[in-house]
Amino acid sequence: QSVLTQPPSASGTPGQRVTISCSGGSSNIGSNTVNWYQQLPGTAPKLLIYTNNQRPSGVPDRFSGSKSGTSASLAISGLQSGDEADYYCAAWDDSLFGWVFGGGTKLTVL
Amino acid sequence: QVQLVQSGAEVKKPGSSVKVSCKASGGTFRSYGINWVRQAPGQGLEWMGRIIPILGGANYAQKFQGRVTIIADKSTNTAYMELSSLRSEDTAVYYCAKDGGVGAAAIDYWGQGTLVTV
Repeated sequence: QSVLTQPPSASGTPGQRVTISCSGGSSNIGSNTVNWYQQLPGTAPKLLIYTNNQRPSGVPDRFSGSKSGTSASLAISGLQSGDEADYYCAAWDDSLFGWVFGGGTKLTVL
Repeated sequence: QVQLVQSGAEVKKPGSSVKVSCKASGGTFRSYGINWVRQAPGQGLEWMGRIIPILGGANYAQKFQGRVTIIADKSTNTAYMELSSLRSEDTAVYYCAKDGGVGAAAIDYWGQGTLVTV
């Protein structure tokens, strides 16, 4: 049972826009920033979005993040087949004094 | 650019211990946080604990308290994670992952992962 809640799956067709939600509580998303990770099959996670809506160098602007209250979302526009991956949200938890993750969302490009 | 290189795959018997290393290059090892995150087959990411070498002590997820030890060797820029009393449910890929240290905004770099099979 993950501390942050994500839908287990999402899908879209090439070129479409999809969003993935992440719900938490007052001790994590409610009081800290949210990060998103992309994990391609057989590889380590890669930082995709940090501090709610910032993209590391090299991440296309097709990826965007937002946060409101105790929830956050990741949006992917202009969907491509290469975006098929698992996506995880994460935040620091002030009560647990550690990082907490969502259960992950498997994105399928139809 | 930070790089984290982990030790190789391990096969262990139930009840034994495993120790995984994570050698860092780039950045200032002593001041950033080294986390250990595991991923069981087909499952999500699970945070186990973290150490900031300059501060010394580690903090652990409650689930692993008493079974996991995380240490850091500042002389070799290497962190270690030891998990004891292994059981089949501990079969997973174990990742070391760096954050910015005190008040860090994100885990930003990951090691390649180490498969531990129990």
